[in-house]
Amino acid sequence: GIQVEQSPPDLILQEGANSTLRCNFSDSVNNLQWFHQNPWGQLINLFYIPSGTKQNGRLSATTVATERYSLLYISSSQTTDSGVYFCAGRFDSWGKLQFGAGTQVVVTP
Amino acid sequence: EAQVTQNPRYLITVTGKKLTVTCSQNMNHEYMSWYRQDPGLGLRQIYYSMNVEVTDKGDVPEGYKVSRKEKRNFPLILESPSPNQTSLYFCASSLSRSGELFFGEGSRLTVL
Repeated sequence: GIQVEQSPPDLILQEGANSTLRCNFSDSVNNLQWFHQNPWGQLINLFYIPSGTKQNGRLSATTVATERYSLLYISSSQTTDSGVYFCAGRFDSWGKLQFGAGTQVVVTP
Repeated sequence: EAQVTQNPRYLITVTGKKLTVTCSQNMNHEYMSWYRQDPGLGLRQIYYSMNVEVTDKGDVPEGYKVSRKEKRNFPLILESPSPNQTSLYFCASSLSRSGELFFGEGSRLTVL
């Protein structure tokens, strides 16, 4: 089956640090999204990025569809960035979003 | 405000007592879907709907029913809940089957 692999599984950052999260996928993707799950369990849309690069404040993302990976950059991290970051892709014609296992990020003051 | 609304957000119930989790979106989206999230198993699709009166099973449909009588609503029905259906449930919608998927705030269900 299709694999969506995220690395690293866990990340501890000091406030102000920068980091890169990676998502590898095993097949051609119709749609690639990044989410942040906050401590209350809500899934927040960060990026819809099937290809190319996008930026939103301190966050940016790049997807290289031909090489089957996507990167999420967090710059000048803040404690509110803590939570789990998921990448997810739609690979089939039925629209199912296939999630990676997530990267647990903890930002310490 | 564009949103996907689920209710209830929290529910504790007992085995066998039928319940419905409602989902409504105000974005005129064609595609809607339900997911459940469990520790160690991640997010898995339960059912999806391409449009009104068009629904199909996802990866874990056993014990659940859905209906799509109107475009905006996609309720999830647990006819006879069991403890293994204790989970965090998400409803989601998108304009098309390849578009950006938007999630509701989640419904935390406990079945005793």
